[in-house]
Amino acid sequence: GENVEQHPSTLSVQEGDSAVIKCTYSDSASNYFPWYKQELGKGPQLIIDIRSNVGEKKDQRIAVTLNKTAKHFSLHITETQPEDSAVYFCAASIKIQGAQKLVFGQGTRLTINP
Amino acid sequence: DARVTQTPRHKVTEMGQEVTMRCQPILGHNTVFWYRQTMMQGLELLAYFRNRAPLDDSGMPKDRFSAEMPDATLATLKIQPSEPRDSAVYFCASGLEPLVGRYISNQPQHFGDGTRLSIL
Repeated sequence: GENVEQHPSTLSVQEGDSAVIKCTYSDSASNYFPWYKQELGKGPQLIIDIRSNVGEKKDQRIAVTLNKTAKHFSLHITETQPEDSAVYFCAASIKIQGAQKLVFGQGTRLTINP
Repeated sequence: DARVTQTPRHKVTEMGQEVTMRCQPILGHNTVFWYRQTMMQGLELLAYFRNRAPLDDSGMPKDRFSAEMPDATLATLKIQPSEPRDSAVYFCASGLEPLVGRYISNQPQHFGDGTRLSIL
């Protein structure tokens, strides 16, 4: 089955610097890759997603890149701000018997230092 | 903004008791997912419904867990009897999966804020 590995598990950056989180997946049939941000006491919130027919997608300070050949995708946050501090999860979608399932990475705890 | 609503937000009970968690998906969404989140296992999919029909519950312990959708506005997850190892945060998510030709198109899942369950 699909396996998603996420690195690093913790990341601390200075405010204003960039943060990069990387994920690899194992199932070459995966075709949808969302990223979620989870704040304390809240559910995961979708921040950006990318489909396998696209190599890069950007939304203001957030960008995601996808390398299908290498089976890895990355989240890039530029000009980080204290409110970016949270746990970030990547996921890969697989289809099993007509059902879409998301397999999540283990999460990255991002801390932005003022 | 439309949101997935989960109740209760917190539940503390003794082992052996029945626990029922409820979820109101976003109006118009046709898929509902139940996840369990723990420090050790991360986010695990327990059950998946499309158009109120269960599609996959392979991640759910069948002997004590059950998931249902009595109607399009309510999904429930029950544990009976509960055990201390069931302590976790349980999330419900909903989405809209349109048919594109013969295929289901991948679409975002929108999460509620979870039920934090503690079994003593």
